[in-house]
Amino acid sequence: LAKTTQPISMDSYEGQEVNITCSHNNIATNDYITWYQQFPSQGPRFIIQGYKTKVTNEVASLFIPADRKSSTLSLPRVSLSDTAVYYCLVGFTNAGKSTFGDGTTLTVKP
Amino acid sequence: DTAVSQTPKYLVTQMGNDKSIKCEQNLGHDTMYWYKQDSKKFLKIMFSYNNKELIINETVPNRFSPKSPDKAHLNLHINSLELGDSAVYFCASSLRPPGNTGELFFGEGSRLTVL
Repeated sequence: LAKTTQPISMDSYEGQEVNITCSHNNIATNDYITWYQQFPSQGPRFIIQGYKTKVTNEVASLFIPADRKSSTLSLPRVSLSDTAVYYCLVGFTNAGKSTFGDGTTLTVKP
Repeated sequence: DTAVSQTPKYLVTQMGNDKSIKCEQNLGHDTMYWYKQDSKKFLKIMFSYNNKELIINETVPNRFSPKSPDKAHLNLHINSLELGDSAVYFCASSLRPPGNTGELFFGEGSRLTVL
């Protein structure tokens, strides 16, 4: 299984761009990378998914280098409401066994 | 309408008791899951069912028994509860069986506290 490593925590200020990197050195060829956001007392919520290069949606961008051994979630112009735990999830193959990262607690300050 | 709903949201019980958590999804998804999130926020998959058939069974004590009466429901029964079972249990669903891509839809979680 692809093991993932993320920073435990990050601080930012409103209006800044935040980049959270996830390392996944033994990612499998068919594995996609997915990021989830979790607020206190809620379940994780899908943010973005990608396989290579760059993916962008209305809330975030996901950058994946050519070797795919890491990925970076980019949140543009964060607000206080972006304070949450962000999880990197690699793979959903191999009979569905997937590995969530340990999560990065992002704190956005005014 | 809540897409993935779990009951109860909170559960406090004594060691040795048996308890159940129920989950229902109205998304029409084929696959459902149970995840455990401990006090350090680590999320670990426990079970997955596809169309009522067990497809993932991680290393979980056999005191935990999932049951899927139909593809919209996946319940979790826990026998002989132990202190270490205290956690938040999340139910999730996905449109298709685990594959290369796909999105997980999570419920709000059920916080189990074993005293």
